[in-house]
Parts: sequence; C-alpha cells; structure tokens
Amino acid sequence: EAGVTQFPSHSVIEKGQTVTLRCDPISGHDNLYWYRRVMGKEIKFLLHFVKESKQDESGMPNNRFLAERTGGTYSTLKVQPAELEDSGVYFCASSVLAGVNEQFFGPGTRLTVL
Amino acid sequence: GQNIDQPTEMTATEGAIVQINCTYQTSGFNGLFWYQQHAGEAPTFLSYNVLDGLEEKGRFSSFLSRSKGYSYLLLKELQMKDSASYLCAVPDNYGQNFVFGPGTRLSVLP
Repeated sequence: EAGVTQFPSHSVIEKGQTVTLRCDPISGHDNLYWYRRVMGKEIKFLLHFVKESKQDESGMPNNRFLAERTGGTYSTLKVQPAELEDSGVYFCASSVLAGVNEQFFGPGTRLTVL
Repeated sequence: GQNIDQPTEMTATEGAIVQINCTYQTSGFNGLFWYQQHAGEAPTFLSYNVLDGLEEKGRFSSFLSRSKGYSYLLLKELQMKDSASYLCAVPDNYGQNFVFGPGTRLSVLP
C-alpha cells in the first residue's frame, strides 16, 4: 500500500512569490491534516480536512495560506505571497477515521523562502 | 491548551538502553503517541498509550502515568539505525489533531 506522498520534496523561492504544495493521502483515508515545523520549533497543526470539507483550520497562520481538497482526494496548500518566516517543513498526514487515531505522515516538503 | 516537554538531545551507545521522557499538561487527555522520525523522512508511528502502565513492543516500550502527566519511551539493545528524532504527541482537546513536543534527537554511537 502506498503511503502519504508529498510534492515537491524541496522548494526554494523568493519572498513575495507563490508556492503550492501537494499532498496525496493514503487511498481511502477521508481525514487529511497539514502540519508544519519552522526552524527550531515543534511540529504544529495547520488544518484538518474530512473529505473535501475543512473540519478545523484554527492553525492556519494567516490569510496568505490557502488549503484546498477538491474532490476529497489530494490536497494543495498555497502560500501567496511567501514571507521569510514561512520557511520550514510542511507535513501532511492522513487517517481513516477522525478522532484519536494513528495518523500516517508524509515525508514533508522543505520550503525555503529567501 | 496542551503543553509538552521533552529533552532536546540524547546520546547513547550501541547495545545500551535509553529512556526518553515526555511530560505533558493538558486540559483533557485522549492518550499519548510516540513517533520516530529519521532525518528527511516521514514520522512513523511507534506507540499509543491511553491507560497507565507499560506497553512493550519488541525492543521498544512505552510507559504512561496519567496522574503525573508523564510518559517515557524505552529503547533496548540500541542499534545505529535507532538514531532519529522521537516525537511525543497528544491529541488536542477535541481528539482530532496532534499537539507535538519539540522532539528528542537521539544519537547512537558505536
């Protein structure tokens, strides 16, 4: 069974540019989560999809971040315009059920904003 | 809210035993997860504890004390491949999303 995949693995962009990160969850997993780890800090929750609906987006830092999951399959996270403090590793995770369940993580996308 | 603390770094010798501690403060409790993350790779699930006591799974064991807000991950017969970050995480108040600790980077030396 394929795991959670993320694309790209690395992205280097300049401040003010736009970047779109993609996550493909494990097939059949309705729950999809985005997390990020900025330098020296712990991994922090961004948002949670159940199928195509945003269940919880309380962790999104500001309106420069837009997450979508059209069709309830893969998800994209767009940062526009990117700022220096957006640099970090963005993780995606998925689970079959919501609630207290093991989440399966992707390898992350390392974003560097110069 | 939730607050989780772990040592930042630990070093141990191949073949030894190491204990990685995690303390947490939560307004509610829905169990505690341990994940392992090798550099540049996805965090992978190790264990989940919701009741007090020790859960053993091969070379790895995880312990929980709810009254003390404390957990530890015990790694026995350390191998070089155990060098990784170990993440302690608890579900949030709604049991939906993870709140992570800072992670403990373990280095296993020959």
